[in-house]
Amino acid sequence: DADVTQTPRNRITKTGKRIMLECSQTKGHDRMYWYRQDPGLGLRLIYYSFDVKDINKGEISDGYSVSRQAQAKFSLSLESAIPNQTALYFCATSDRDRPLGPQHFGDGTRLSIL
Amino acid sequence: RKEVEQDPGPFNVPEGATVAFNCTYSNSASQSFFWYRQDCRKEPKLLMSVYSSGNEDGRFTAQLNRASQYISLLIRDSKLSDSATYLCVVRGYGGSQGNLIFGKGTKLSVKP
Repeated sequence: DADVTQTPRNRITKTGKRIMLECSQTKGHDRMYWYRQDPGLGLRLIYYSFDVKDINKGEISDGYSVSRQAQAKFSLSLESAIPNQTALYFCATSDRDRPLGPQHFGDGTRLSIL
Repeated sequence: RKEVEQDPGPFNVPEGATVAFNCTYSNSASQSFFWYRQDCRKEPKLLMSVYSSGNEDGRFTAQLNRASQYISLLIRDSKLSDSATYLCVVRGYGGSQGNLIFGKGTKLSVKP
């Protein structure tokens, strides 16, 4: 089983719809992150959370919201999807006890907004 | 200057070749450094962390030069399976010290 699981893996939806992407992890990490990746732009941070009561905006948070339901779960919502939110979305985790350590990524969600 | 800069490539090399990638970063206070590998449409996977003393893992060698603010990755005896995009990643400093800054990646294609 994957340590960091994202659902759905693929989603096609229409402009204006509300969408939720979910991430769950079995690594026991406190820190979780949401990124989007666009061709030619690399990964960009949307939101991050260092524990259940901590939510922080990243580089490109406009149009997105998040919920940290539990240590193991971190959801990303698009309240009213627009076509330029079409991208590959990744959830990641890292270990609080290794603040300078790497992040570990889920398999990704491919989202298309028509 | 971009925060993390890489040559996008592609680097097209024959099997068995040695290939080197460089990456520069702008924040001299950056604290940790990584190389990730990303296959097409898949998640980034940690290849190796990069330490000041340099480190080696099999055919892969990473070097960090803090004075010049660059990081390198050397791949020896390239395999077809090494074909991927290699991401240079730098950890930020200060209030967002938990955050990683990603380069756009260097594409490697190893040919038979």
